[in-house]
Amino acid sequence: NAGVMQNPRHLVRRRGQEARLRCSPMKGHSHVYWYRQLPEEGLKFMVYLQKENIIDESGMPKERFSAEFPKEGPSILRIQQVVRGDSAAYFCASSTTEGTEAFFGQGTRLTVV
Amino acid sequence: AQSVTQLGSHVSVSEGALVLLRCNYSSSVPPYLFWYVQYPNQGLQLLLKYTTGATLVKGINGFEAEFKKSETSFHLTKPSAHMSDAAEYFCAVTPRVDSSYKLIFGSGTRLLVRP
Repeated sequence: NAGVMQNPRHLVRRRGQEARLRCSPMKGHSHVYWYRQLPEEGLKFMVYLQKENIIDESGMPKERFSAEFPKEGPSILRIQQVVRGDSAAYFCASSTTEGTEAFFGQGTRLTVV
Repeated sequence: AQSVTQLGSHVSVSEGALVLLRCNYSSSVPPYLFWYVQYPNQGLQLLLKYTTGATLVKGINGFEAEFKKSETSFHLTKPSAHMSDAAEYFCAVTPRVDSSYKLIFGSGTRLLVRP
């Protein structure tokens, strides 16, 4: 059973471009979470999704950021018109309804130049 | 609302010495508590977790933590530090509402192990 898969591992974007980060949860997991880790800081919750539904987006910036978890395919975190302050590591985690923990991916490190 | 405080952004110990990383939480409901370890440029690996039952939990790599409700603490310990333990450690809490594992993380403690 493969773990949580995130791609790309590293992403470089110029200011103003769009960044798309992908997360494939573990097999059988229907809950997906996105977190952001700024340099030298802890992880901050961004959004919690289930298939085709955003359950909690209380940590998402109001503008430029969006997330989806379609019926088929990976979850996508989309950042439009990136700025230097978006440079961070973005982690995805997944869990089941009955499970006792969330499993993390290796992260995508976004650098905005 | 839940929150986590990790005292000490950096902790330095000698190899073979006791490791103690502190974590205090606040939660309005019985929490689930976790310790994760992060190596440079890596993801998070679960060390141990407390959900219900026995308050002393043992994890991987010789680590353990004790849930103390009266002190709202979940400190991480290891009797003897190894060089390979050098990493960033994060304490996290979740209220486990609606089957969610939305985690609230502390700011992390970087463990340095001196030869």
